[in-house]
Amino acid sequence: DGGITQSPKYLFRKEGQNVTLSCEQNLNHDAMYWYRQDPGQGLRLIYYSQIVNDFQKGDIAEGYSVSREKKESFPLTVTSAQKNPTAFYLCASGRLEGINEQFFGPGTRLTVL
Amino acid sequence: GNSVTQMEGPVTLSEEAFLTINCTYTATGYPSLFWYVQYPGEGLQLLLKATKADDKGSNKGFEATYRKETTSFHLEKGSVQVSDSAVYFCARSNDYKLSFGAGTTVTVRA
Repeated sequence: DGGITQSPKYLFRKEGQNVTLSCEQNLNHDAMYWYRQDPGQGLRLIYYSQIVNDFQKGDIAEGYSVSREKKESFPLTVTSAQKNPTAFYLCASGRLEGINEQFFGPGTRLTVL
Repeated sequence: GNSVTQMEGPVTLSEEAFLTINCTYTATGYPSLFWYVQYPGEGLQLLLKATKADDKGSNKGFEATYRKETTSFHLEKGSVQVSDSAVYFCARSNDYKLSFGAGTTVTVRA
């Protein structure tokens, strides 16, 4: 089946530790995105990438890092510099041509203890 | 900027009631418009879309019409079911990105 996978679904970490969230897609999409969702709020863009080995900061990039070594993969690292990392993280992908519709993964809920 | 404003929730309805969720967008350029739905604990699913003025997107009994004159894309469903309980997000395209509204939580009671 084509789609986007995120793992793990739930993740617990101690304060001060870096943690990496996985995102893989087999839709052959050029663009990939990471969003953060907090309770009762909309989605805020963290980072996005339109091509392998290139990525841009979104609205709330501080305390996060990404890499795009393969077209299919766009891992997100939540660093210890992120002041309030507990949130629901959503990965998405989409084509660069056409209407820019995005397809979302199931999300990872990160809890920092 | 390129922003989206949608009706605040939460919205609670009885089964078979009529649902409207208002959404307006900033009129920069000629964006595509989307409604996404999020069920508890899951990612977002595309519900419907429209790419130009007067287009009507529809899916699963939901409809929304791209109104350029009022910069609106209101979501409607004539008869909701308990299974429609979810969070609904309006979004507009923005240079290969999407700008989302804050989301509207809808609860349908049997």
